[in-house]
Amino acid sequence: QKEVEQNSGPLSVPEGAIASLNCTYSDRGSQSFFWYRQYSGKSPELIMSIYSNGDKEDGRFTAQLNKASQYVSLLIRDSQPSDSATYLCAVKYQAGTALIFGKGTTLSVSS
Amino acid sequence: ETGVTQSPTHLIKTRGQQVTLRCSSQSGHNTVSWYQQALGQGPQFIFQYYREEENGRGNFPPRFSGLQFPNYSSELNVNALELDDSALYLCASSFGTSGGGETQYFGPGTRLLVL
Repeated sequence: QKEVEQNSGPLSVPEGAIASLNCTYSDRGSQSFFWYRQYSGKSPELIMSIYSNGDKEDGRFTAQLNKASQYVSLLIRDSQPSDSATYLCAVKYQAGTALIFGKGTTLSVSS
Repeated sequence: ETGVTQSPTHLIKTRGQQVTLRCSSQSGHNTVSWYQQALGQGPQFIFQYYREEENGRGNFPPRFSGLQFPNYSSELNVNALELDDSALYLCASSFGTSGGGETQYFGPGTRLLVL
């Protein structure tokens, strides 16, 4: 059973702080990793994808991947109230067609 | 560039009825995946269509079926609706050269309520 685990939160941070969101996955055959943001009542919106070990930065967002530890994280620098949402970690396995999602972590940024 | 669209946005059905949900893929994409998202959960993969053929299926019963048309749009059909089918149904499109595609982009979803 391929699983993706996330802390459901809520994770609360003050405006301007760094928010750190974590995700672990069960299958070492995982190939591709994605972070989606989902506002309440809306559909998931792609933030970042990462495929290789290490860091990938895009604006205020940094994704980190460690395949040996089966761990992927998302850092949000200078958090804004508009970042308040549920963040979904998704994993695509080498032979698979589906994205396997975690349950999501709810982030609350207070002004 | 046109994004992924879904219709209808909301739907109310009664137990035992049948429902058809529709999805138009993003311009240039040839693959459509369907997901079910229950409240407080992550999306669960239902199936994927590539070149009008089912290209992978999750752990959903046969009463969940689908189609993909030559223009890459897709339908999700659910027969004999059950209360537990109440959820947000998401369509995601992607581009692949050998099936599947990599990055999936989601439509706005259809919220289904079964009474």
